[in-house]
Amino acid sequence: DAGVIQSPRHEVTEMGQEVTLRCKPISGHDYLFWYRQTMMRGLELLIYFNNNVPIDDSGMPEDRFSAKMPNASFSTLKIQPSEPRDSAVYFCASRTDRGGTEAFFGQGTRLTVV
Amino acid sequence: RKEVEQDPGPFNVPEGATVAFNCTYSNSASQSFFWYRQDCRKEPKLLMSVYSSGNEDGRFTAQLNRASQYISLLIRDSKLSDSATYLCVVNIWGQNFVFGPGTRLSVLP
Repeated sequence: DAGVIQSPRHEVTEMGQEVTLRCKPISGHDYLFWYRQTMMRGLELLIYFNNNVPIDDSGMPEDRFSAKMPNASFSTLKIQPSEPRDSAVYFCASRTDRGGTEAFFGQGTRLTVV
Repeated sequence: RKEVEQDPGPFNVPEGATVAFNCTYSNSASQSFFWYRQDCRKEPKLLMSVYSSGNEDGRFTAQLNRASQYISLLIRDSKLSDSATYLCVVNIWGQNFVFGPGTRLSVLP
C-alpha cells in the first residue's frame, strides 16, 4: 500500500480564495482524521470520520472550514474564504477499526495564505 | 488542563547519553498509548506503542503507569539520528487520537 496520500504537498494562495485539500486513506482503514499543525498550537484535531461519517467536528475552527468524505477512499478539507491565520501544515491520518492500532499519517499539505 | 502534557524541552544531549521523556494524560478512560516521532518538516510516525507491562525496542523503553496516568520514554545510547520531536499520544478506542505538544530532542556530536 502506498500509505496515506495527500495533495497538494504545498499550496500558496491569496487571502479570500477557496482552498481544497485532498486525502486518500489507506485501503481498508475505517477512520480518517484531519489535523492542523502550527508552531504555536501543535497538532490539533479538526475532524474525524468513521466509515465515511463525521463523528467529531468540534475542532473545526469556524464555518469557513468544511470537510467531506464521499466514499471510503477520498476526503476533502475545504477552507472558504481562506485567511492568513489558516497558514499551517494540514495532515490527514487513517487507521483501522481494531482497538489499539496506531494512526498512519500522510505527508501533509503546507498551506500558506498571503 | 490539557489532555496530554509533556516535558516542555528542548533537550540537548551529547551522543551516547540517556534521555527520558515524561508525559501525563488527564482522561482516565484512555486505552491506547503511543510514542510518535516527528522529524523537521515531516509527518509524525509511530515510534512504539506503549503496553501496560512496559516494553522495549532496542535502545528505546516505554513505560505506562495507569494509576498515575503517566507515560515515559527512555532512549539509551542516543544517536545523532535520534534528533527529532517526540509526541506522546493517547487514544480511547473508537475516538480521537490526542497528541501532546511534543518534546524536541537534539543530540549533539
